[in-house]
Amino acid sequence: DARVTQTPRHKVTEMGQEVTMRCQPILGHNTVFWYRQTMMQGLELLAYFRNRAPLDDSGMPKDRFSAEMPDATLATLKIQPSEPRDSAVYFCASGADYSRANYGYTFGSGTRLTVV
Amino acid sequence: AQSVSQHNHHVILSEAASLELGCNYSYGGTVNLFWYVQYPGQHLQLLLKYFSGDPLVKGIKGFEAEFIKSKFSFNLRKPSVQWSDTAEYFCAVNDWDNNAGNMLTFGGGTRLMVKP
Repeated sequence: DARVTQTPRHKVTEMGQEVTMRCQPILGHNTVFWYRQTMMQGLELLAYFRNRAPLDDSGMPKDRFSAEMPDATLATLKIQPSEPRDSAVYFCASGADYSRANYGYTFGSGTRLTVV
Repeated sequence: AQSVSQHNHHVILSEAASLELGCNYSYGGTVNLFWYVQYPGQHLQLLLKYFSGDPLVKGIKGFEAEFIKSKFSFNLRKPSVQWSDTAEYFCAVNDWDNNAGNMLTFGGGTRLMVKP
């Protein structure tokens, strides 16, 4: 089965440090999404890319978060500087919007981030 | 904007009990509908989806969901739950009409605990 690959799986860092999370979407998928999941807030959409172009990043704190797709095989989410409130599981998902019948995401295994 | 409501935040059942989880959405146009499951410590996985045709959709592991357009609902059902169904369940909707591509709006999730 095709899968979305996220690295690292776990990250513990000190407050103020830069954190970079990576995602390799499924080959052929043209949409990529970044979500953050916490117990308090649930699942929050941070960023949405289509054909590598950012379409929606309204859910992302712009002062410290940035999301990019340097190429079709890599999406990155960066936090600089990190804060304890950023501790969460960050999921990447990819999908294809070529055909309505194929809508639906495939999620990666997530990056569990702990900022101390 | 589309919103998705899952009214049951926590459900506790005994094994072999029947399950029905509610999902209602707000926008009444053409929609694609999904249920995702997240087992403890894991990522979201697609359980089933509806995009057209028979409003009764069968998914994996004995789950099914019924799309009732007049009620804006897409409830998830299983006749007899197992302990291994303990997980969080997310309903999600895609608005086909509003140029959102394949971006999904997620409900807040329902945590299901099945007692052995």
